[in-house]
Amino acid sequence: DAGVTQSPTHLIKTRGQQVTLRCSPKSGHDTVSWYQQALGQGPQFIFQYYEEEERQRGNFPDRFSGHQFPNYSSELNVNALLLGDSALYLCASSYIDKDSYGYTFGSGTRLTVV
Amino acid sequence: GNSVTQMEGPVTLSEEAFLTINCTYTATGYPSLFWYVQYPGEGLQLLLKATKADDKGSNKGFEATYRKETTSFHLEKGSVQVSDSAVYFCALRGGNTGFQKLVFGTGTRLLVSP
Repeated sequence: DAGVTQSPTHLIKTRGQQVTLRCSPKSGHDTVSWYQQALGQGPQFIFQYYEEEERQRGNFPDRFSGHQFPNYSSELNVNALLLGDSALYLCASSYIDKDSYGYTFGSGTRLTVV
Repeated sequence: GNSVTQMEGPVTLSEEAFLTINCTYTATGYPSLFWYVQYPGEGLQLLLKATKADDKGSNKGFEATYRKETTSFHLEKGSVQVSDSAVYFCALRGGNTGFQKLVFGTGTRLLVSP
C-alpha cells in the first residue's frame, strides 16, 4: 500500500518564476493538506483540499494556490517566486470521516529559489 | 490562536540515557496532541498521539501523557538509541472535524552518541 507520493523531490527555480508541486495521497484518503517547512522550523499550514475545494487556508499570500483532482491528487502552485519561498513543501493526506485524527506525510519537495 | 512551544535543542545524550523533550500548548477547547519524528532528508512520521486528557500515547518505547491541567505533552523514553537521532515535533489539532489543521512546534533535534 503506497503512502503519500510527492514529486519532484528537488527543484531549483529563479526568482519571479512559477512552480507546480504534485502530491498523490495514500490509498483510501480523500483530503490533502500542504505545509511549508523552512530550514530549522516546524511545518506551517498552507491550505487543505477536500472534494476538489479549498476548505481551509493558513496565512499565506495569494501567490500560493492549489488544486485537487477527482482522483484526490493535488497540486500546489506558487507564482512570482521569492527567495523566502525556499523550503521543504510537505503534503499530508487523511480521510475526512475517520475518527483517528491521523495524517500521513510525504517525504516532501525541496524547493530552492535562487 | 492555537500554538505549541517546545524546548530548544539540540538535546545531546549518550546511548541508554533517559530522554525528556518538553512540550506545552495553548488551545481553545480540547485539542488532540501528537509527536512527529523527522529523520534526515525525510518527511514526518507520526510517533504517537493522544486525543483526550490523561490519555497516554506510546510507540517504540516513547511515551507522552496529555496533561490538561498543565497544558503539556512531554515526550519521554527510558533508554535512547543512536537510531533515535532525529528532529521531534510536537503538534496539536484543534476541534473534532476533519478540517482542522495541524499546528507544530519548532522542533527539537536529538543527537544520541554511542
